[in-house]
Amino acid sequence: AQSVSQHNHHVILSEAASLELGCNYSYGGTVNLFWYVQYPGQHLQLLLKYFSGDPLVKGIKGFEAEFIKSKFSFNLRKPSVQWSDTAEYFCAVTPSGGYQKVTFGTGTKLQVIP
Amino acid sequence: EAGVTQFPSHSVIEKGQTVTLRCDPISGHDNLYWYRRVMGKEIKFLLHFVKESKQDESGMPNNRFLAERTGGTYSTLKVQPAELEDSGVYFCASSQQLAQTELFFGEGSRLTVL
Repeated sequence: AQSVSQHNHHVILSEAASLELGCNYSYGGTVNLFWYVQYPGQHLQLLLKYFSGDPLVKGIKGFEAEFIKSKFSFNLRKPSVQWSDTAEYFCAVTPSGGYQKVTFGTGTKLQVIP
Repeated sequence: EAGVTQFPSHSVIEKGQTVTLRCDPISGHDNLYWYRRVMGKEIKFLLHFVKESKQDESGMPNNRFLAERTGGTYSTLKVQPAELEDSGVYFCASSQQLAQTELFFGEGSRLTVL
């Protein structure tokens, strides 16, 4: 069965700082990868996803993530964070093909200080 | 287009009581998922419906949990009798296709068992 590790549980940054949130997954086969975000008081929503092709994927609000197969990683990055990026971020993985459940990590709380 | 709606948003019950959570998926979405997040931990898969059929219920904790999706529309998740460890946020999500595509989440139902 697949699993996801998010090593940063709580990250505090000042506005304009660069962000990188770590995500590693465990699964022996081909996977689809996701980052979801939950802003305060809102529902979880998709930030970006990787299915195949270019390992560098771009999402909404200036976020991007890079799939490095050899490292089983899918780290989330943003060059310059804003106060409005304060939220909880979840990495998720599902094996490719057919129906397979989506497995989430424990989440990383990002707090951006103005 | 209406999103995924969940009711109630927050429920406080005593140990031994019964609670029923409801989820209305996005219209036309055949796939409906229930997830649960216990404080600080991962968002854990409970089960998946395709229309009215249970595709995967491998994440259901025990037989105190009963999920139904009559007519392939809304779903209910009943906990009877509730235990302290059932406390958490129960998320519902729906998707038009299989799990490889985006999951649309509701805002969650927070359950507190005293």
